[in-house]
Amino acid sequence: EAQVTQNPRYLITVTGKKLTVTCSQNMNHEYMSWYRQDPGLGLRQIYYSMNVEVTDKGDVPEGYKVSRKEKRNFPLILESPSPNQTSLYFCASSSTVDYGYTFGSGTRLTVV
Amino acid sequence: GQNIDQPTEMTATEGAIVQINCTYQTSGFNGLFWYQQHAGEAPTFLSYNVLDGLEEKGRFSSFLSRSKGYSYLLLKELQMKDSASYLCAVSLNNAGNMLTFGGGTRLMVKP
Repeated sequence: EAQVTQNPRYLITVTGKKLTVTCSQNMNHEYMSWYRQDPGLGLRQIYYSMNVEVTDKGDVPEGYKVSRKEKRNFPLILESPSPNQTSLYFCASSSTVDYGYTFGSGTRLTVV
Repeated sequence: GQNIDQPTEMTATEGAIVQINCTYQTSGFNGLFWYQQHAGEAPTFLSYNVLDGLEEKGRFSSFLSRSKGYSYLLLKELQMKDSASYLCAVSLNNAGNMLTFGGGTRLMVKP
């Protein structure tokens, strides 16, 4: 089944403790992206990647890092999480042909 | 900055037709997307318009006017399962990977 898989689905952590949210797609898509969704603010792009080793900042990159060492994986790294990073996070991928992102199931992160 | 506006909430009756509007002012434009998102779930792709006019796909249709910075999503023969948020998104580049989203419209379908 074609899908984007994120882990974990839910995570509660403490301020300052480094964490990684994994994202993997099995569709051989070139493009991958991370979004966060907050009430009243909609979906905002954090980082995106056009292919292996090619990443760029979206609208809200502060406090986040990404890497794209393999085509299928695009992890999101929070080096020192803070409470304002409490949010619902989505990973998404798309191809050059299909257009339109396929989204993962989401990761609900709470930083206390 | 980018500005994409949609109504926050709408209510409609089962079996009826509803139109969800989206206006945009963005630094670039390479197409407009509509997504459906049920509560607690991931957004799913509904439609993509890059040229002016109406695109029909079953019960759902999407319209675009680039000169007016305007789009709408039309849902016909509403069903209870259509209760969801509908997200309008503009592609800022021709690669389609810089999507800027509006805040979404929460649609409630009543019996």
